[in-house]
Amino acid sequence: TQLLEQSPQFLSIQEGENLTVYCNSSSVFSSLQWYRQEPGEGPVLLVTVVTGGEVKKLKRLTFQFGDARKDSSLHITAAQPGDTGLYLCAGAPSTNAGKSTFGDGTTLTVKP
Amino acid sequence: EPEVTQTPSHQVTQMGQEVILRCVPISNHLYFYWYRQILGQKVEFLVSFYNNEISEKSEIFDDQFSVERPDGSNFTLKIRSTKLEDSAMYFCASSPSGQGLWLYGYTFGSGTRLTVV
Repeated sequence: TQLLEQSPQFLSIQEGENLTVYCNSSSVFSSLQWYRQEPGEGPVLLVTVVTGGEVKKLKRLTFQFGDARKDSSLHITAAQPGDTGLYLCAGAPSTNAGKSTFGDGTTLTVKP
Repeated sequence: EPEVTQTPSHQVTQMGQEVILRCVPISNHLYFYWYRQILGQKVEFLVSFYNNEISEKSEIFDDQFSVERPDGSNFTLKIRSTKLEDSAMYFCASSPSGQGLWLYGYTFGSGTRLTVV
């Protein structure tokens, strides 16, 4: 069973601060996806990274896939209260995987 | 933007009762999934469904669970005899292609909060 570990589990910061969330595994994934989930809602896909070393930017969010495709990070610059939520990473073990494995998530709270 | 629709948003049921959770996936998607998330815990895979049959299921998806696509639009999850530990958020998801899941990811619905009392 492939496991994804996310850290930190909880993160509380002030508006304007930067932060990084990590998603690590001992297994190789064909892709890693990051989702954001708000209370009472389903996860919403933010990005998919597929190439080792790949970096993708989505406004103030920067996603990186590790060279060995075993880990990923999400960096948020100048966090805003609207960034508050649960951030989940999910990995597909192969290109024909029938399901993805989810990490436990990082709960981010950005205080105004 | 196309979305996955789930009903009801909240279901309260007595232990031992049957419940049916309903989902309308995105119309041109071919692969459908049910996941659940117990409060404070991770998102857990239940079952995937393609071409009117189950593609894969987890250990959680035992004989008390079943899925069906009764028509061209609905996708349902039935729990025959609910237990207290079935209380969770149940998410339906769809993907345009099973082989594209690694690239396209899931589109999730807003979930049904099932409370078994």
